[in-house]
Amino acid sequence: QQQVKQSPQSLIVQKGGISIINCAYENTAFDYFPWYQQFPGKGPALLIAIRPDVSEKKEGRFTISFNKSAKQFSLHIMDSQPGDSATYFCAADKTGGTSYGKLTFGQGTILTVHP
Amino acid sequence: DAGVTQSPTHLIKTRGQQVTLRCSPKSGHDTVSWYQQALGQGPQFIFQYYEEEERQRGNFPDRFSGHQFPNYSSELNVNALLLGDSALYLCASSLLGRAEAFFGQGTRLTVV
Repeated sequence: QQQVKQSPQSLIVQKGGISIINCAYENTAFDYFPWYQQFPGKGPALLIAIRPDVSEKKEGRFTISFNKSAKQFSLHIMDSQPGDSATYFCAADKTGGTSYGKLTFGQGTILTVHP
Repeated sequence: DAGVTQSPTHLIKTRGQQVTLRCSPKSGHDTVSWYQQALGQGPQFIFQYYEEEERQRGNFPDRFSGHQFPNYSSELNVNALLLGDSALYLCASSLLGRAEAFFGQGTRLTVV
């Protein structure tokens, strides 16, 4: 059972535009939602993360929006640059107790930013 | 800070063989988790080690086993390799009680 669904599978954006990637989760016990960026041949790199007690978190050009009632969260990349071209993964975790640190990932979104 | 390091970076094995992959966690981290990432997919959790013991395990068969050493480094062992085990194997390190997990560059395993 896929517990985190990510869309779209691929996204093409012009330089300077806004990239938006969406995720939905099923398990209401999840309480930590990170986003990872992965370049070809590399491991995922932690970009930004949010917990359900806030609706939005911004770090530089990256913003997470979180809707607890809808069980959805999204990543917004403002002023997208060609160097942002990569695969992006959302993930979820249930922190606390013995299940800490077992990330459940979405299927990934391949972002291409054209110059 | 060297970050999370994995070895080897690439590996080719024959079906039925056994393989051992290695991971050194980020300095100061005490918890190591292993993930399998098939081509075009998100990483799938295999298991996690803390204080040299397996804390939790994902939906992987017993052919997948691991070990953590006193210096917090870890090994992933896979026995009786199948073609379907071909994937990028990722190690993530964290500090118990902290949510942030940091990944290594992975080991690309090809089973032929």
